Amino acid sequence: KQEVTQIPAALSVPEGENLVLNCSFTDSAIYNLQWFRQDPGKGLTSLLLIQSSQREQTSGRLNASLDKSSGRSTLYIAASQPGDSATYLCAAPNSGGSNYKLTFGKGTLLTVNP
Amino acid sequence: DAGVIQSPRHEVTEMGQEVTLRCKPISGHDYLFWYRQTMMRGLELLIYFNNNVPIDDSGMPEDRFSAKMPNASFSTLKIQPSEPRDSAVYFCASSGQVNQPQHFGDGTRLSIL
Repeated sequence: KQEVTQIPAALSVPEGENLVLNCSFTDSAIYNLQWFRQDPGKGLTSLLLIQSSQREQTSGRLNASLDKSSGRSTLYIAASQPGDSATYLCAAPNSGGSNYKLTFGKGTLLTVNP
Repeated sequence: DAGVIQSPRHEVTEMGQEVTLRCKPISGHDYLFWYRQTMMRGLELLIYFNNNVPIDDSGMPEDRFSAKMPNASFSTLKIQPSEPRDSAVYFCASSGQVNQPQHFGDGTRLSIL
């Protein structure tokens, strides 16, 4: 059974700082890994999807990396802004089953202070 | 382009009542997912459909929960009878092929008194 852990659970940084969010997963036989953002009272918004054949994906100030052998992924946010404040979740497919069955981490609550 | 639409946004009802949550996926998406989110357990997959057919319902907690997808543009999640421990935020999501991201609705916040 896939288990996904995110560290830290919460992070508070001043505006402009670069930061890294961490995600680890127990079963490395994954097809892809996804990073999501969740704002209070809202659903999840997909940020980046990394296929197993890729090592990283970039979108604007966001960069996600994937190291299957070590069971780790990181989300790098450059030049953080107050609007980046949200909960960030990573999700990996369940082992031995459908690539559509995602296991989510508990998330990292990010606060960017102006 | 409309996203995933869920209704109602909030539902408060008494224990024992039937609850029906509704979802309209993004047009053209073949997969539909129902999730439940709580503080204790995080986000959990309850069931998912492919082309309107239930593929995996192993996450459905009890027989009190049922889900249907009568056509490509509509799905329901029903709880009967409801219990206080069912209180949570229920999300519906849809996606295309396997390397496409899942798109989530804004959820239904359910409170069972």
